[in-house]
Amino acid sequence: DAKTTQPPSMDCAEGRAANLPCNHSTISGNEYVYWYRQIHSQGPQYIIHGLKNNETNEMASLIITEDRKSSTLILPHATLRDTAVYYCIVRVDGNQFYFGTGTSLTVIP
Amino acid sequence: SAVISQKPSRDICQRGTSLTIQCQVDSQVTMMFWYRQQPGQSLTLIATANQGSEATYESGFVIDKFPISRPNLTFSTLTVSNMSPEDSSIYLCSGWGRGNEQFFGPGTRLTVL
Repeated sequence: DAKTTQPPSMDCAEGRAANLPCNHSTISGNEYVYWYRQIHSQGPQYIIHGLKNNETNEMASLIITEDRKSSTLILPHATLRDTAVYYCIVRVDGNQFYFGTGTSLTVIP
Repeated sequence: SAVISQKPSRDICQRGTSLTIQCQVDSQVTMMFWYRQQPGQSLTLIATANQGSEATYESGFVIDKFPISRPNLTFSTLTVSNMSPEDSSIYLCSGWGRGNEQFFGPGTRLTVL
């Protein structure tokens, strides 16, 4: 079962930062948080992952709270092409992914 | 990251028939997985494809309905057997390589009439 909960949908104005929250209150100490997105039922695309520290790459930033019970994915300057379903996933011991329902992000012109 | 291809990309099948979906990775991966995505839904893990041994199925999925093969580290197949309209879904395979990333194929869109 998925270990994460996310809001079902969010809107963001083009050019503004999109902040997508995720709750994972039952996460274990050695389990990573991963973020993927899926556009138009294509295969999910990797965005970023982290364990304890905040992470940043060319696509996004990941902020994980100190107690690790929640995290936020930040897209610093959202574009129309960022419209997608975003999935927050906890990677379990066997490397399996159990997807939750995700957040449908709509970037508005 | 590695690239995954799937065949066929889509198919329309008759009730009671079977379809085998192929998944090819362009480099060796340690683990491969199969998922189902029903219309308007999230992805559901079907099984972990184990190289040289029987797949490990998730609750609600059985080998008789979804037999899986993985003869080597770059290839796997999923068969959807005795299909019914409820099997209409997108089927995706994924791989876990040497990095810390699971990467996905483009999916196979299956419609059962």
